[in-house]
This record gives sequence, C-alpha cells and structure tokens, in this order.
Amino acid sequence: EDQVTQSPEALRLQEGESSSLNCSYTVSGLRGLFWYRQDPGKGPEFLFTLYSAGEEKEKERLKATLTKKESFLHITAPKPEDSATYLCAVLGAGGTSYGKLTFGQGTILTVHP
Amino acid sequence: DTGVSQNPRHKITKRGQNVTFRCDPISEHNRLYWYRQTLGQGPEFLTYFQNEAQLEKSRLLSDRFSAERPKGSFSTLEIQRTEQGDSAMYLCASSPGTGGNEKLFFGSGTQLSVL
Repeated sequence: EDQVTQSPEALRLQEGESSSLNCSYTVSGLRGLFWYRQDPGKGPEFLFTLYSAGEEKEKERLKATLTKKESFLHITAPKPEDSATYLCAVLGAGGTSYGKLTFGQGTILTVHP
Repeated sequence: DTGVSQNPRHKITKRGQNVTFRCDPISEHNRLYWYRQTLGQGPEFLTYFQNEAQLEKSRLLSDRFSAERPKGSFSTLEIQRTEQGDSAMYLCASSPGTGGNEKLFFGSGTQLSVL
C-alpha cells in the first residue's frame, strides 16, 4: 500500500525566512509525485509533478525536488500570501486510474509579515 | 475555463437521511474523480470515471455510497442512510485524460455534516 508522510505538521515563518517542507513516501512503482496547495475552504490547487529522482521544478518562490525516498518543497523568501496547506501525493503503479493519488496529511504553512 | 463546480457547498443532515452531491467538471475533461477529506487529513480517493464508465472504486466506498456519471458529463455522489462518520469534505476533480501526466483540477468541495 502506498504511503505518504509529511513533516512538519505546521510551520510558522517570518516573511523572508526561507525553509523547506518534507514529504517521505513508499510506493510500488512511482509514476509521479505531486505537490498541491490548499487554501481554507477550497480544493487543492496543482503546483508540480515530479517523475524521477534528481528532478527539480520551480515556480516563483517555490522549488520542488525529488529523491528515491522523499521530496522537498523549498520556499525562498516567503510572503504572507504563501500561507496555505501544502499537500504531497504519489501516484503508484497499482490500479487503472491515472488520478488515484495517495495524499499525505499536509503541512500548514503560516507566514507572518 | 469556469473550473470544476460542486453543489451544494454545504449540507447538514440528520443521521439516517440520504444525501446527493453534484459535480460539474471542466467541459472538455473526460476523467472525473471523487475524493473525501476529513479535518487535518489529506484527500482520500473514492472513485474514478472515464467518460460514463466507473472504472475504479476504493474499498472506502461502502455499499451505502453510489456514484454516477450519465452521458459522461456531470456526476452525482449519493450517500444512503448517512452516519456521523460520513461527515467530511467531498471533493470532485477532473482531468483532460491525455496520457499519464495527470494534473487534477479540484472543485471547492461539498462540506457534509451529519448530526
């Protein structure tokens, strides 16, 4: 069974204070690792897909990296509008669906001005 | 792009009642998914449609749950004889269905409270 564990559960940063979120996973045959952002009362919003170890992707102040066992979401010089829950998910080889994702519990990020 | 639309946004019901939720996916998307999310947890997969065909169901989807997608357009999720443990956010997502790069577009969900 695919498993995803995210740490820390909550992270408080001052504006401009860079940090990283961790996503550890076990999966039989990784087809993709996904990062989503979720604001209160809304559905998750897609950020990145990573497919193989060593891959990196960037978007504004966010950078996602992938190893064989974990992924990191680096946040550089965060702003208050980056406050949200960040979800990590994996797509394994089991099942017929391309969208049957296994999500972690999320990291709640709060950035103070 | 009007996004994925879910109705109602909130539903309060009494234990034992039946409830039905609706999801309208992005119009050109042929893949549709239902997920459930409880407070402090990530979403959990429930079921998947390719056009009108329901191709996969999670074991979380007990026989009190039924989902349909007539004509491959909108989808409904019905819960019969609701229980307090059914209280959760029910999320619908859709995707274009072109190959394996499965970028899911989620709706804002239906928050169900069972009293």
